[in-house]
Formats: sequence, structure tokens, C-alpha cells
Amino acid sequence: TQLLEQSPQFLSIQEGENLTVYCNSSSVFSSLQWYRQEPGEGPVLLVTVVTGGEVKKLKRLTFQFGDARKDSSLHITAAQPGDTGLYLCAGAGRLQGAQKLVFGQGTRLTINP
Amino acid sequence: NAGVTQTPKFQVLKTGQSMTLQCAQDMNHEYMSWYRQDPGMGLRLIHYSVGAGITDQGEVPNGYNVSRSTTEDFPLRLLSAAPSQTSVYFCASSYSRWAYGYTFGSGTRLTVV
Repeated sequence: TQLLEQSPQFLSIQEGENLTVYCNSSSVFSSLQWYRQEPGEGPVLLVTVVTGGEVKKLKRLTFQFGDARKDSSLHITAAQPGDTGLYLCAGAGRLQGAQKLVFGQGTRLTINP
Repeated sequence: NAGVTQTPKFQVLKTGQSMTLQCAQDMNHEYMSWYRQDPGMGLRLIHYSVGAGITDQGEVPNGYNVSRSTTEDFPLRLLSAAPSQTSVYFCASSYSRWAYGYTFGSGTRLTVV
């Protein structure tokens, strides 16, 4: 059972469009991280959110942590080909009786020129 | 800074062979961990360490050993390789296990035939 569900798993859009990727769980997290991974490389941290309702912006990327700290979203405005990659969310919290950091299965994003 | 360095980048093993995947970090991070990444399954924790001399199991530890004799190094040993261990392996480090994001290495792609 996946503790963190990401959707969609695959997304292919045209350059200039907007998109949102979701990371959902029935569990409460103390913090949530977003990473981007390019082919042949390891994930690179984009942002960490720790407060319910928190919104962080990184240029054209907007990250939001849900009020109940069970979900998060990543919104990209005017997507560019350089945004192409695998986006991973990871949540830290007390899960299944133990403190854990769990990763979602990822959203593979392709931005077409 | 080099960050997290993993070697080798690629490796092919025969079933039953053993090998060690190397991981070194130069950021003086106390926390280090090993993950494997398989299609559709996200990143799964194999073993982790919260400091030199301290290691513990993650969610998929069978068939792997680790040790942490120094803060900088955290090698992963495959005792007797099996085809099910074909995967991409990532080493990650952080100031702490929960509150900060992770710095990942560039990965080792392992094929067991």
C-alpha cells in the first residue's frame, strides 16, 4: 500500500501551459519535501514545507502544503521544456506506528516545445 | 563541494557474486541512507545511519549489509547478488533524518544476470 499517492503518474503538455501535480495521503505529515529527478541523476531537493497551509514559490513553481498536512500540490506556470523530469514528493511523519520518511511513486512530466 | 559521490556508476554482476557500492559525502552530514529505485515503486529505504558506528534497517534490508566507520563513508554491500536486486541505487545524506531535505548521489545502475 502506497502511503503517498502522486497524481497524475504521467503528464505530457505543451510549452506555455500550466499544470498541477498532487501528492495525497490519509496520514498526517510533519513535513513534506518535493524533488525533481532528471534521467541518470539523483533527485534534487526543490522545497520543504512544514506548516499546514504553507505556500512556497520557486520562480514559476508554487508548492502548497494542505491545511491538515495530509496533502500537497505543485503548480507550474507557463511550463518550459527545462521543467521536464520526474517529480517526487516525500513526507516525514509517524506512519504505521513508526517515524518514517516515505516517497511517492513520482510524476513523470514531459514539456513539449 | 562534491556533495554525495557514488561509485561505480554502472555494474553488471552474475547471480551469487558479491560487491560493495561506495558512497562518500563531504558535507559533514550525520544522517546517511541507501535507497533503491524501481519503476512504479518510488524510492524504498534499504538501510540508514544516524552517525558513525550506528546503522539500522529500512523497509527492504534483506540481502544487503552496511557499516559506518566514519562520518563521510557509508558503503552498501550485496552479499550474494540475485536478479531481484537489479535496480538503481541511491545514497543520500542530510543534517537530520526528518527536518531537512536530502542530498542524493547520482546513483549506481546495477544489473544482476
